Amino acid sequence: EVQLVESGGDLVQVGGSLRLSCAASGFGVTNNYMSWVRQAPGKGLEWVSVTRSDGSTSYIDSVKGRFIISRDKSKNTLFLEMHSLRADDTAIYYCARDKTIGRYGLDVWGQGTTVTVSS
Amino acid sequence: QSALTQPASVSGSPGQSITISCTGTSSDIGGYNYVSWYQHHPGKAPKLMIYDVNNRPSGVSDRFSGSKSGNTASLTISGLQTEDEADFYCASYRRNNTLGIFGGGTKLTV
Repeated sequence: EVQLVESGGDLVQVGGSLRLSCAASGFGVTNNYMSWVRQAPGKGLEWVSVTRSDGSTSYIDSVKGRFIISRDKSKNTLFLEMHSLRADDTAIYYCARDKTIGRYGLDVWGQGTTVTVSS
Repeated sequence: QSALTQPASVSGSPGQSITISCTGTSSDIGGYNYVSWYQHHPGKAPKLMIYDVNNRPSGVSDRFSGSKSGNTASLTISGLQTEDEADFYCASYRRNNTLGIFGGGTKLTV
């Protein structure tokens, strides 16, 4: 079965760090374009980061220099390292696969993991 | 990065048809056939309903259809059912952006 399972969300203080994990089954994370998308409380969806099959990465401006997206082929897992966390990073974070290879058709999603940043 | 523009809410009765619009620019919707639509029930994972403007993934009901005219994309749902009630988001590729762009979301009430 093709699926994604996220973990790692937690309550953390402003300035803290967290690492989110997204374990894949049924396909390889390194062979696909993979995204992290978040939804802040009461807000819409927001693209956070993308990693492509060639290893290149992209980030939304507000997390550049603070977040790092990576993949582990042996564990078939996608990660999002989050540093210098701010209150406005509070959100449900979803990982997803882009079946359209850069055309942003995300066909497989995880169930989401909640990050709460408090002061 | 400014979002694509969607109506905040739309409503319809069971059996009716509704259309949700998504307006962008020539740098995104108008310039490329890379528009996707997502259904999001609160507390659940978003679900891909349409990709590349008018393609349905396997398993998505043919009551859902997508189209585009100029800088505006549309999602049409025919034969509305109560379980269609959800938030809907459009998304698009945007020139010179390295990430996709979402619309602000539309709450569908059935």
